[in-house]
Amino acid sequence: DQQVKQNSPSLSVQEGRISILNCDYTNSMFDYFLWYKKYPAEGPTFLISISSIKDKNEDGRFTVFLNKSAKHLSLHIVPSQPGDSAVYFCAASAWSGGGADGLTFGKGTHLIIQP
Amino acid sequence: DTGVSQDPRHKITKRGQNVTFRCDPISEHNRLYWYRQTLGQGPEFLTYFQNEAQLEKSRLLSDRFSAERPKGSFSTLEIQRTEQGDSAMYLCASAGTGEETQYFGPGTRLLVL
Repeated sequence: DQQVKQNSPSLSVQEGRISILNCDYTNSMFDYFLWYKKYPAEGPTFLISISSIKDKNEDGRFTVFLNKSAKHLSLHIVPSQPGDSAVYFCAASAWSGGGADGLTFGKGTHLIIQP
Repeated sequence: DTGVSQDPRHKITKRGQNVTFRCDPISEHNRLYWYRQTLGQGPEFLTYFQNEAQLEKSRLLSDRFSAERPKGSFSTLEIQRTEQGDSAMYLCASAGTGEETQYFGPGTRLLVL
């Protein structure tokens, strides 16, 4: 049972346009959501996060939107740049005893930015 | 702050051998997590520590897997009697007190022949 789903294995976007990556979750206990970027043979790099008490968080070119009723979040990248080409993972966690439990990840979306 | 480091970065071993990986978290991070990532999948949570206490280990893949963090600083993940199915990237992450964001190391890529 996959609790975090990224239904698009890949996404191709033209440089300068908006990239929208989507993520759905099923576990109502999740209270914190994160996006990571990963290059081959490297560890995931933290991009941006959002708490379940918010519906939007912005950091530069990156914005994450959370729709709790739909159990859906999305990552917007504007404008898209060639260096954004990577695999993007959506992850979720639940709070326990002073810190987060292990993250539950989706399978990732491979974003390709075309010149 | 030098980030999370892992050693070795690559390990090739023969089936049946034991392997041990080391993770050094960001200094003063009290939580340390281990994950495994296989091709085409997201990282899969294995276990985590708060200081030296192992708070979750039911997600370790089998009794061949064990982890320690004896002094609450670095951690080791050991796989005994390796199998070809253990070939994967093993990732370590750390988080500070009261923080929810986990920061990952570069990973150790294991190949079991």
